[in-house]
Amino acid sequence: LAKTTQPISMDSYEGQEVNITCSHNNIATNDYITWYQQFPSQGPRFIIQGYKTKVTNEVASLFIPADRKSSTLSLPRVSLSDTAVYYCLVGDVGNAGNMLTFGGGTRLMVKP
Amino acid sequence: EAQVTQNPRYLITVTGKKLTVTCSQNMNHEYMSWYRQDPGLGLRQIYYSMNVEVTDKGDVPEGYKVSRKEKRNFPLILESPSPNQTSLYFCASSLGLAGVRETQYFGPGTRLLVL
Repeated sequence: LAKTTQPISMDSYEGQEVNITCSHNNIATNDYITWYQQFPSQGPRFIIQGYKTKVTNEVASLFIPADRKSSTLSLPRVSLSDTAVYYCLVGDVGNAGNMLTFGGGTRLMVKP
Repeated sequence: EAQVTQNPRYLITVTGKKLTVTCSQNMNHEYMSWYRQDPGLGLRQIYYSMNVEVTDKGDVPEGYKVSRKEKRNFPLILESPSPNQTSLYFCASSLGLAGVRETQYFGPGTRLLVL
């Protein structure tokens, strides 16, 4: 799996748009970019996935530039309940079945 | 409701006393795995299973056993727990084997304390 780098933590206020960037300089041609969200004492939850350009769903948007060496998860108008850790994963089919490697993630704190 | 369930959710035990954490999914998923999460170390994979009777080691398998006798169940067994196995454990499943492209569904977690 391609190595990813994310900020350790971010702070925001309710109602603001939050952008979390993930660097993945060694991304391979077949690799996809996937983001998970984890609340305290809960398992990670799939948020969004993309390959190139822009993907949007009811929760977030994912922006991927043409070179695909980075990606940005955008959370519109965050609320207190968006306080969580966000993980960026990059890869395709895992090696030897080891499909997911979670790094440290980005701890987002949303303040009132 | 599609879900992954784990039991127990919380467990306090003593060193050397065998325990089993159960995991069950109702989505007919092929792939199941176990992770442990420790502060500063993220999630690390313990074991995984690609189908019934097919299991393999993840990153940190020492001290753990698993079995996959039925598609829906994937119990994690600690034959002789030690304090360094105190952790938060997650079971996960996915429909297929397409790696990061596959959406993983995680259970609610089991918090284990080994004294």
